[in-house]
Amino acid sequence: QQQVRQSPQSLTVWEGETTILNCSYEDSTFDYFPWYRQFPGKSPALLIAISLVSNKKEDGRFTIFFNKREKKLSLHITDSQPGDSATYFCAASASSGSWQLIFGSGTQLTVMP
Amino acid sequence: GGIITQTPKFLIGQEGQKLTLKCQQNFNHDTMYWYRQDSGKGLRLIYYSITENDLQKGDLSEGYDASREKKSSFSLTVTSAQKNEMAVFLCASREGDTEVFFGKGTRLTVV
Repeated sequence: QQQVRQSPQSLTVWEGETTILNCSYEDSTFDYFPWYRQFPGKSPALLIAISLVSNKKEDGRFTIFFNKREKKLSLHITDSQPGDSATYFCAASASSGSWQLIFGSGTQLTVMP
Repeated sequence: GGIITQTPKFLIGQEGQKLTLKCQQNFNHDTMYWYRQDSGKGLRLIYYSITENDLQKGDLSEGYDASREKKSSFSLTVTSAQKNEMAVFLCASREGDTEVFFGKGTRLTVV
């Protein structure tokens, strides 16, 4: 059973467009939601994260929107650039002691020039 | 800053062989993780450890053992390598609910 789901599996956008990546989760104990970005042949690296106390987190062109009631998050990338082409992973963890960090299956983003 | 070192970088094993992957971190983090990533797929949690000598199973623990004898090191053993298995094993660490840092991975091929 997938605890963290991501959609779409892959996405192609044009340079300058806004990209929207979706994530949902099931476990109500999850309270920390990082997004990781992975370039081909590299390890994942933290891009931006949000906790349960916030509805929105912004960092430059990257914004997380969080709907706690529906257990859904989305990552918006404004003015998408070819250099943003990578796989994006949504993850979730609970601070209630276990520290288990569960990843979604990822969205492969291609930004065309 | 710190670093996570995984050894070996490449591992070629034979079917049925027991294989051990090692991970060292100098962040002084309490929590360490082992993930498996198949080509073009997501990260699946194999084992994690929240402190020295602690072990917690992830969703993919069957077929693997782990050991956390020191705070700085976390090893993973493939108990019986499966023929044609090919994946990257990623070690990671974090402190509390802060950022998770990843090592560069061990690429396993079973012939």
